[in-house]
Amino acid sequence: DAGVIQSPRHEVTEMGQEVTLRCKPISGHNSLFWYRQTMMRGLELLIYFNNNVPIDDSGMPEDRFSAKMPNASFSTLKIQPSEPRDSAVYFCASSLDYQPQHFGDGTRLSIL
Amino acid sequence: GQQVMQIPQYQHVQEGEDFTTYCNSSTTLSNIQWYKQRPGGHPVFLIQLVKSGEVKKQKRLTFQFGEAKKNSSLHITATQTTDVGTYFCAGLYGTSYGKLTFGQGTILTVHP
Repeated sequence: DAGVIQSPRHEVTEMGQEVTLRCKPISGHNSLFWYRQTMMRGLELLIYFNNNVPIDDSGMPEDRFSAKMPNASFSTLKIQPSEPRDSAVYFCASSLDYQPQHFGDGTRLSIL
Repeated sequence: GQQVMQIPQYQHVQEGEDFTTYCNSSTTLSNIQWYKQRPGGHPVFLIQLVKSGEVKKQKRLTFQFGEAKKNSSLHITATQTTDVGTYFCAGLYGTSYGKLTFGQGTILTVHP
């Protein structure tokens, strides 16, 4: 079975540019989570969806960050404009109800 | 707020030594999950504990859930170099659509 698929795997861009990260959850899962991981702050939950509806976005750091889930098989996390401090590994994870979460391979984002 | 504290932050051991990481929550958990993240990888689910006082084993790994469902531990017997990585506990509080509160993680290094 295919796991959680994230794209791109790596992204290097200049500050001020728009960055779009993509995630395809495991088919049949009804919850989707976006995390950011850095050495300084560890693993942070940014936002999560249940049945495509955003439930809690209190972890989104600023208005420059936005996330959507237009259907059960696709979600995006957008940063506009990007800043060097946004450099991190961004993970998407999905789960079915209260079952364990399955993580994608992550997107390694570098903002120059 | 709901927080899961995990200690130690780092642990360096010689191959063959034992290792333990601890997690503590100020409020009662519905369940606790453990994940392992290899260097450069993504968190991978190891186990879930649900019942008060529950103990589960996976080969050399022993997981415990406290009687009050507020603390948990992971113990590795006779570490091997393949055990290196970051071990996270993650707590589920009540009905939260599967949202997990992750501990800070314990980074384990094993010297051959």
